[in-house]
Amino acid sequence: KNQVEQSPQSLIILEGKNCTLQCNYTVSPFSNLRWYKQDTGRGPVSLTIMTFSENTKSNGRYTATLDADTKQSSLHITASQLSDSASYICVVSAGISGGYQKVTFGTGTKLQVIP
Amino acid sequence: SQTIHQWPATLVQPVGSPLSLECTVEGTSNPNLYWYRQAAGRGLQLLFYSVGIGQISSEVPQNLSASRPQDRQFILSSKKLLLSDSGFYLCAWRPLLAGNTDTQYFGPGTRLTVL
Repeated sequence: KNQVEQSPQSLIILEGKNCTLQCNYTVSPFSNLRWYKQDTGRGPVSLTIMTFSENTKSNGRYTATLDADTKQSSLHITASQLSDSASYICVVSAGISGGYQKVTFGTGTKLQVIP
Repeated sequence: SQTIHQWPATLVQPVGSPLSLECTVEGTSNPNLYWYRQAAGRGLQLLFYSVGIGQISSEVPQNLSASRPQDRQFILSSKKLLLSDSGFYLCAWRPLLAGNTDTQYFGPGTRLTVL
């Protein structure tokens, strides 16, 4: 069964500090892994996407890493800002041919950045 | 540029009443379309996906149904709502030929409360 587990479930950090969110998955065959940011009451927005051959991808202050051997990914946020307060969702796709890839969503990490 | 719209943004309905949520995509053709539900504290659950007009696939059994009367229109319906139908409903689209680095683009969501 394909699963995506994220930790921690929630996190509170001070503005300006760094943090790292974790994602462990058991999805096969692996196609790609994405991190989404979801503001409260809004739809998720894609931050990064990585395929099997990529082990790091940056988007501004967000840096995602992927270890396909251990099936782990992390999202590192540098110099956090109040606007980083959101839920961060790890999404892993299984490579199935056709019009739809089997996508498994994690339950997300809720990050709160406080002044 | 592509945009995705959902309406209504919020909805409060009594148990047993019908439901119709609409999603439209602009600026693209032949997208794959998806309906997700996000219950409080839970991950995103795929409800339906569509690879073309009139082509609907259901991921989980429920009292909901979906239709795609036009290429860029996706409708989520129910004849009789249950309390358990409450949640945040998200529509998403993906380009038809996205390769293995596809990203789903989410709409703003509809908050449904069934009383």
